Amino acid sequence: GNSVTQMEGPVTLSEEAFLTINCTYTATGYPSLFWYVQYPGEGLQLLLKATKADDKGSNKGFEATYRKETTSFHLEKGSVQVSDSAVYFCALSGSSASKIIFGSGTRLSIRP
Amino acid sequence: DAGVIQSPRHEVTEMGQEVTLRCKPISGHDYLFWYRQTMMRGLELLIYFNNNVPIDDSGMPEDRFSAKMPNASFSTLKIQPSEPRDSAVYFCASSIPSGRANVLTFGAGSRLTVL
Repeated sequence: GNSVTQMEGPVTLSEEAFLTINCTYTATGYPSLFWYVQYPGEGLQLLLKATKADDKGSNKGFEATYRKETTSFHLEKGSVQVSDSAVYFCALSGSSASKIIFGSGTRLSIRP
Repeated sequence: DAGVIQSPRHEVTEMGQEVTLRCKPISGHDYLFWYRQTMMRGLELLIYFNNNVPIDDSGMPEDRFSAKMPNASFSTLKIQPSEPRDSAVYFCASSIPSGRANVLTFGAGSRLTVL
């Protein structure tokens, strides 16, 4: 079945550091890929998405490129801020576009 | 729009008691999802509905769990009897179809503690 694997956390960085959170997936066909973010005490919210190979999703300085050859969708940001501290979830939807599978989440903490 | 509304936000109960969690999706959204979040198992899809009809309940852990959606603006997730291992944050989410990318809007969650 479909699955998502993302890097273990927690990840702790200093402000203005470069961020990469790795995500790889297993799926049949051509899934759509997502990154969601969860701030403390809140539900998840969509950060960015990509629906086909080589698409790049971007939002709030974050980017991720859909790489079919490596089955990856790594999240990157060039310069993180304290306000980026949150839990980040990689997710996919497969042939059933409605059913969305989430990775285990990566907790990110940014030091001032 | 008030977003997806869940109640209660926090529930503490004793083992064996019945628990009912409630969700009001965004008006016009015809998909509704129930997820459970724990440290050990992450975010698990329990069940989802389309136009008030359950489509996939394969994630419902056991018969103690049941979910209903009597109309387009209301859904419940019931646990009877509850057990300590049911302690988790339960999220409701809703969406409308958007091509190949069905984007979910989550509620703030219901934190359940079973003693």
